Amino acid sequence: DTEVTQTPKHLVMGMTNKKSLKCEQHMGHRAMYWYKQKAKKPPELMFVYSYEKLSINESVPSRFSPECPNSSLLNLHLHALQPEDSALYLCASSPRDQTGELFFGEGSRLTVL
Amino acid sequence: ELKVEQNPLFLSMQEGKNYTIYCNYSTTSDRLYWYRQDPGKSLESLFVLLSNGAVKQEGRLMASLDTKARLSTLHITAAVHDLSATYFCAVDSLYNNNDMRFGAGTRLTVKP
Repeated sequence: DTEVTQTPKHLVMGMTNKKSLKCEQHMGHRAMYWYKQKAKKPPELMFVYSYEKLSINESVPSRFSPECPNSSLLNLHLHALQPEDSALYLCASSPRDQTGELFFGEGSRLTVL
Repeated sequence: ELKVEQNPLFLSMQEGKNYTIYCNYSTTSDRLYWYRQDPGKSLESLFVLLSNGAVKQEGRLMASLDTKARLSTLHITAAVHDLSATYFCAVDSLYNNNDMRFGAGTRLTVKP
């Protein structure tokens, strides 16, 4: 199994809503990531969990809240988002071995109204 | 700060032609990655280059790494329409906590 699975694939929410994005991998990888990607731009790192501990928070606004319940699961809780937060949110995992290669999920396309 | 620069950002080429995409980075790193992204899709890993002089080939794509020049190239041979996509290079570095920083991407269009 070489997949990173993200749900939902599409999400539309209002600025007062609370929602969550979910990510799952069963490759035994010990690092998981959230990236944000705006149209025609490269992915931007938001959060990294390494061995289930948050190791980097790239000064992301507190309306985004990550959670890593175990080494296979990663959530991104969303609250009071702004329209400019509309983007493709990509989850990735990595074995953090010699290669450092990232394996990406299909992404969750978020629209904030 | 780790910076990754790609050029060109846009590339329109005819089928059958050859071209090269360049990726420069600013700090010491021995690990460079190339990803492909189709419109509306996620990123697919193409190549992982782990040492100076590394060269990898897959079909019509060949990637190389020169760590002394802090330069990687992605060479396209005899382009076909199916290669149309955005190509990102990415670098991770001890100076960046080993977390991956992406270049701006090269949007490649291959025309008949």
